[in-house]
Amino acid sequence: AQSVSQHNHHVILSEAASLELGCNYSYGGTVNLFWYVQYPGQHLQLLLKYFSGDPLVKGIKGFEAEFIKSKFSFNLRKPSVQWSDTAEYFCAVKVADSWGKFQFGAGTQVVVTP
Amino acid sequence: DSGVTQTPKHLITATGQRVTLRCSPRSGDLSVYWYQQSLDQGLQFLIQYYNGEERAKGNILERFSAQQFPDLHSELNLSSLELGDSALYFCASSVATGGARTDTQYFGPGTRLTVL
Repeated sequence: AQSVSQHNHHVILSEAASLELGCNYSYGGTVNLFWYVQYPGQHLQLLLKYFSGDPLVKGIKGFEAEFIKSKFSFNLRKPSVQWSDTAEYFCAVKVADSWGKFQFGAGTQVVVTP
Repeated sequence: DSGVTQTPKHLITATGQRVTLRCSPRSGDLSVYWYQQSLDQGLQFLIQYYNGEERAKGNILERFSAQQFPDLHSELNLSSLELGDSALYFCASSVATGGARTDTQYFGPGTRLTVL
């Protein structure tokens, strides 16, 4: 079964700093990849997703992610964060063409200080 | 708004009791997933239903059960509740048409369960 690793559990950074969150998965076949964001007290919202094609995916709120197949990675980036980006970020993987469940990472808590 | 609805928003009950959480998927979605989120365990997948049938099972306790009805709404039943069952319970839905090459989950607002 596939697994998902998010290496950073907590990240603290200042406004205007750049953000990069790592996500690695373990599965050799075709996967669907996702990043979700959960703002304090709210539900998970889809930030962006990758199915195929251009490995650089742009999502909402200025986020982007790059799929590197050789590294089994799908890292999330934002060039300049705002205080409102304080949230928990989850990476998720699903094996394509299968009934397999969506596998979520443990999440990364991001705190942006003014 | 994801289009997934969950009721109730909050639920407070006592140990030993039984509760039912309800979820309505987005229009057109056939699959429903249930998750439990707590501070110590993180986001845990419980169970998936597709068009009324159970499709995948995760870390779901025997005290918990779920079903999906013909109108595709789903209910999660939690019985003999313990203090440790206090958590946020999320429902998500997706199209999931028989091993679809691409599929996306959309989450509902959650039900916050407090067991006293």
